[in-house]
Amino acid sequence: EVQLVESGGGLVKPGGSLTLSCAASGFTFSDGWMSWVRQAPGKGLEWVGRIKSKNDGGTTEYAAPVKGRFTISRDDSKNTVDLQMNSLKTEDTAVYYCTRGGSAVVVPATIRPGYWHFDLWGRGTLVSVSS
Amino acid sequence: QTVVTQEPSLTVSPGGTVTLTCAFSTGAVTSGNYPNWFQQKPGQAPRALIYSTSIKQSWTPVRFSGSLLGGKAALTLSGVQPDDEADYYCLLYYGGAWVFGGGTKLTVL
Repeated sequence: EVQLVESGGGLVKPGGSLTLSCAASGFTFSDGWMSWVRQAPGKGLEWVGRIKSKNDGGTTEYAAPVKGRFTISRDDSKNTVDLQMNSLKTEDTAVYYCTRGGSAVVVPATIRPGYWHFDLWGRGTLVSVSS
Repeated sequence: QTVVTQEPSLTVSPGGTVTLTCAFSTGAVTSGNYPNWFQQKPGQAPRALIYSTSIKQSWTPVRFSGSLLGGKAALTLSGVQPDDEADYYCLLYYGGAWVFGGGTKLTVL
């Protein structure tokens, strides 16, 4: 089955750290870019960051509110993408979603697979930052 | 800071047509912002509808269409059904990063 499953959420104190993990299955994970998106309780969606495929350099990009505090990494041998969160703030409280995609350009899969467009989402994992 | 603005809420009658828009604080939305649209129902993860302005995902109903309209990205629903009641989010690409709009709550009444 094609799916993404997040794990690692929980309650953490302000200033603390937490690492979320997203396990992919049912597709060739190493082909493509992956992103993290979060949603604070009762609020809208917020893009957190993305990591390119190794073929495209494996580099990362982050939203301004998390830059310097969050780090995305991937392990293509385990089909996982992680979100390491440091110096957590109360405003980081949210459901964190893993999603397949992050590239803007459209490339047909027949030419280069992996240029997904946020077409697959996990169910999310809740991170609560509170003292 | 880049801000993406959507209508907070819209109401449409079943069978009607409604257009949701997505605007940039910095200026006009263009195809180079690769607009994406998502639908989210309560308690569910978002579901992708449209990418790169107007390209539909394989599961996107025909009644949904994306375009650029007057300097904004637009999502038009034609022949609205009760099941279309949901929150809709646009996502724009800018400066190497993605930015979501605040979302539109669509009520079908």
